[in-house]
Amino acid sequence: NAGVTQTPKFRVLKTGQSMTLLCAQDMNHEYMYWYRQDPGMGLRLIHYSVGEGTTAKGEVPDGYNVSRLKKQNFLLGLESAAPSQTSVYFCASSYSIPGLVIETQYFGPGTRLLVL
Amino acid sequence: KQEVTQIPAALSVPEGENLVLNCSFTDSAIYNLQWFRQDPGKGLTSLLLIQSSQREQTSGRLNASLDKSSGRSTLYIAASQPGDSATYLCAVRHYEAGNQFYFGTGTSLTVIP
Repeated sequence: NAGVTQTPKFRVLKTGQSMTLLCAQDMNHEYMYWYRQDPGMGLRLIHYSVGEGTTAKGEVPDGYNVSRLKKQNFLLGLESAAPSQTSVYFCASSYSIPGLVIETQYFGPGTRLLVL
Repeated sequence: KQEVTQIPAALSVPEGENLVLNCSFTDSAIYNLQWFRQDPGKGLTSLLLIQSSQREQTSGRLNASLDKSSGRSTLYIAASQPGDSATYLCAVRHYEAGNQFYFGTGTSLTVIP
């Protein structure tokens, strides 16, 4: 199993450009998440999904959109990139046993985004 | 809003020493707490997960405890090794709508040979 993979690994954008980050998992997990990690801020949840076709806002959703058209993929879009979106983006997935809340998050290797 | 704090921000110890990393959270309405390890330029690797009903979990040289009522968790690392050098983060899964995860800012550990 590849686990959680992210594409691309690194990207440089100019202010106003758009791009899509792709997250894929092969563990058949229901839940998927997008985080950003900034120095001194820890990881903050951007958006998440509890299943195919569903998405929800996290702590810092502004400026981002997401889609979960297939269970194994979770896309994060930046419509008009801003320097404040320079960060490292992590995708994660997890499972839950019905009737119990038992889940471990599995993380991808991250995407480093620089917005000039 | 849930706030998760980790102290100290950085820690340096000689090889072989036992050490404790601390994590505190402001709202006790959590499902579980998870400890992660992050190596430079890498993603996060889950070390231990403690459910809200549990007091501790152990894996090898690692032992994590949880005191939900006081909003505290500790990660105990026994007989530290240079390979333990990394950043350790804790995260809590909250009961609020959306069951969001909240992360601490991490403790950067250096084990000196």
